[in-house]
Amino acid sequence: SQKIEQNSEALNIQEGKTATLTCNYTNYSPAYLQWYRQDPGRGPVFLLLIRENEKEKRKERLKVTFDTTLKQSLFHITASQPADSATYLCALSRSGGYNKLIFGAGTRLAVHP
Amino acid sequence: DTAVSQTPKYLVTQMGNDKSIKCEQNLGHDTMYWYKQDSKKFLKIMFSYNNKELIINETVPNRFSPKSPDKAHLNLHINSLELGDSAVYFCASSQAREEGYTFGSGTRLTVV
Repeated sequence: SQKIEQNSEALNIQEGKTATLTCNYTNYSPAYLQWYRQDPGRGPVFLLLIRENEKEKRKERLKVTFDTTLKQSLFHITASQPADSATYLCALSRSGGYNKLIFGAGTRLAVHP
Repeated sequence: DTAVSQTPKYLVTQMGNDKSIKCEQNLGHDTMYWYKQDSKKFLKIMFSYNNKELIINETVPNRFSPKSPDKAHLNLHINSLELGDSAVYFCASSQAREEGYTFGSGTRLTVV
């Protein structure tokens, strides 16, 4: 069955460092991969989308890579700030048909001053 | 102006009751969704409507019935509530395949 895996353990880093989160998937051929941020008690907020034929996407301090051979995406936050502390969710959707997003369980990021 | 709004934010009810959650979006999106987030934080899709037509119906007990009176609204009615229905329910909308979803702030349902 389809599986999306994100580190269940929290990632703790020092302010100013680069945070790198990993999303691995199996039994799936996604056309699009998305990253969301979720704060406690709030809904997920869309950050970035990357297509299967794209290797890398950037937006301000965020960078996403997509390796369809390794079946992996890396999500980087450079110059991290305490305000970046949240849970980050990876989500995949296929090509064809209607856009059904399947989510990973997310990784909690804590940025310490 | 809230883009995707859900009501109520909290819902505490007894087993066996029937309850509804409402969702409205003012983004002009064609597609709306219901997701369930359980205690392990997994977000699982339940239903999706495109322009009032049901397009995704995952393996959900038929006690759950969505209704979309128009493309800006998607409601969720749950009959005979069970303890296992306790979760946070999120409504979302999207316009195109290559756009992210916009989520509401969630409805925390607690069945006692």
